[in-house]
Amino acid sequence: LAKTTQPISMDSYEGQEVNITCSHNNIATNDYITWYQQFPSQGPRFIIQGYKTKVTNEVASLFIPADRKSSTLSLPRVSLSDTAVYYCLVGDFANTDKLIFGTGTRLQVFP
Amino acid sequence: SAVISQKPSRDICQRGTSLTIQCQVDSQVTMMFWYRQQPGQSLTLIATANQGSEATYESGFVIDKFPISRPNLTFSTLTVSNMSPEDSSIYLCSVAPRSQGAGTVTGELFFGEGSRLTVL
Repeated sequence: LAKTTQPISMDSYEGQEVNITCSHNNIATNDYITWYQQFPSQGPRFIIQGYKTKVTNEVASLFIPADRKSSTLSLPRVSLSDTAVYYCLVGDFANTDKLIFGTGTRLQVFP
Repeated sequence: SAVISQKPSRDICQRGTSLTIQCQVDSQVTMMFWYRQQPGQSLTLIATANQGSEATYESGFVIDKFPISRPNLTFSTLTVSNMSPEDSSIYLCSVAPRSQGAGTVTGELFFGEGSRLTVL
């Protein structure tokens, strides 16, 4: 499983777009990139997953450059309720469901 | 999706005792995972529990300390044995409800709310 590196923390204000970048220089051909969100006193929740280019769903977008050595989770117009820890995970999820979590990014959204 | 119930939600235990955490899922799942999360830290995978086989433990975790049962496709237990204050943590159960197969990408796990354990 490829090692990931994320910023430890980020601050933002309500209504702003937040971009959290994750580095995964050793990503393998079969690896997918998955992001999770965790609120205090709750288990992590799946946000989005991608392999290359751009993926968008109702809560976020995931941008993956051609070399796939990094990825960026984009949260549009954040609100206070987006304050959470965000984890980037990389792995061959077609052949395993095992998730190895990195350190995560603690996002604090201010009014 | 899957709904996961964990019991107890929290407990305070004495050093040297053991506690069993239960994980109940509302649907049949093949793969279940147990994680530990210490305060302010990320999640650490303890073991993978598949029904009908022995649990597979990650490095640093052993069966004698964290015995796991998986009697059927909707239930599992994790026991924290001979507890010490260092075992104080949140223990989370998670499941992968989608089956794996050709062309199927998973990586989406569902987690319980966790069991917060404090050892005095």
